[in-house]
Amino acid sequence: GQNIDQPTEMTATEGAIVQINCTYQTSGFNGLFWYQQHAGEAPTFLSYNVLDGLEEKGRFSSFLSRSKGYSYLLLKELQMKDSASYLCAPMDSNYQLIWGAGTKLIIKP
Amino acid sequence: SAVISQKPSRDICQRGTSLTIQCQVDSQVTMMFWYRQQPGQSLTLIATANQGSEATYESGFVIDKFPISRPNLTFSTLTVSNMSPEDSSIYLCSVEEGAGGWETQYFGPGTRLLVL
Repeated sequence: GQNIDQPTEMTATEGAIVQINCTYQTSGFNGLFWYQQHAGEAPTFLSYNVLDGLEEKGRFSSFLSRSKGYSYLLLKELQMKDSASYLCAPMDSNYQLIWGAGTKLIIKP
Repeated sequence: SAVISQKPSRDICQRGTSLTIQCQVDSQVTMMFWYRQQPGQSLTLIATANQGSEATYESGFVIDKFPISRPNLTFSTLTVSNMSPEDSSIYLCSVEEGAGGWETQYFGPGTRLLVL
């Protein structure tokens, strides 16, 4: 079957760095997406990885290891507005996104 | 990315009634998707709606309960029929757009439905 594993909740301090891990098992693989979802709002696209390695985009970076079925999202210089859920979504062989339940990130002053 | 709007943004409905949710995009898109998300849960794909063909439903979702229309490349509707409290959820439409060599899904703001 297809499975996504992310921590349910994480807490970090404003200005710090946090890494949100995601492990996945899918039928085939066509890349992995990360989305941010603030409470009561729709998900917004953050990043896409299809090759192994690190993709950096401002304060956010995303890493992929296809052989390990593993990805992480790295958030630097945390701000209060980064408090949100972060959804890991690999794409399977049918180009369908497989959604995890997400990681709720709480930022404390 | 495309600008996506949904109507209504929220509604409270009585058991047994039906609600039609509209999704409007400001550009022509081939693939449109309908999801629902219950509190604290992951996104669940209901169906994929392509213009000019019947919607493709995921396991556990049927056309009689969730009829979908896709009359053109910028618009789609999802109807939640014969509602029960278990249908209380956020319903989201999304579209697929290509940029940078891959297709990405972008979401509308969602419709918050409460069934009493």
